[in-house]
Amino acid sequence: KQEVTQIPAALSVPEGENLVLNCSFTDSAIYNLQWFRQDPGKGLTSLLLIQSSQREQTSGRLNASLDKSSGRSTLYIAASQPGDSATYLCAVSEVTGGGNKLTFGTGTQLKVEL
Amino acid sequence: SQTIHQWPATLVQPVGSPLSLECTVEGTSNPNLYWYRQAAGRGLQLLFYSVGIGQISSEVPQNLSASRPQDRQFILSSKKLLLSDSGFYLCAWSVTEGSEQYFGPGTRLTVT
Repeated sequence: KQEVTQIPAALSVPEGENLVLNCSFTDSAIYNLQWFRQDPGKGLTSLLLIQSSQREQTSGRLNASLDKSSGRSTLYIAASQPGDSATYLCAVSEVTGGGNKLTFGTGTQLKVEL
Repeated sequence: SQTIHQWPATLVQPVGSPLSLECTVEGTSNPNLYWYRQAAGRGLQLLFYSVGIGQISSEVPQNLSASRPQDRQFILSSKKLLLSDSGFYLCAWSVTEGSEQYFGPGTRLTVT
């Protein structure tokens, strides 16, 4: 059974700092990995999708890497801003011939302070 | 562009009452559809997914059921709610297997 772990559970940084969020998974037979952002009481916003054949993806100040063999992914946020404050979730997918099942980590709660 | 809607946004129901949550997707055809639950202190858990009309797969045994009466409509139901059904219910869609999933705004359900 796939298990996804995110470290740290919570993180507080001053504005402008670069930071790294970590995600690890136990079964390397994944189809892809997705990073999401969740604001309090809201749905999930997709940030980046990395296919299993890829090593990294970039979108603006965000860069996500994937090392499938070691079961790890990192989300790098450059020059953090207060608006980046949210919970960040990673999820790995397993394609079973009948859908795309995502297994989620429990998230990293990020607070960027002025 | 594609959009996904969920309603109601919030719901307070007594134990033993029925439930119907609705999710609709606009701007795409034959999407894969998913229901997730986010319970307090727990991660997101996949409840049901559907690859087509009338095709529903259940991930965990529970008090809930799902139906897909139309291509872009996904409904989550219960005949009798339990306290443990409380949580934040999220609907999602994807174009194909293995593609990016997009989530709706969610429904906050409190069972009292």
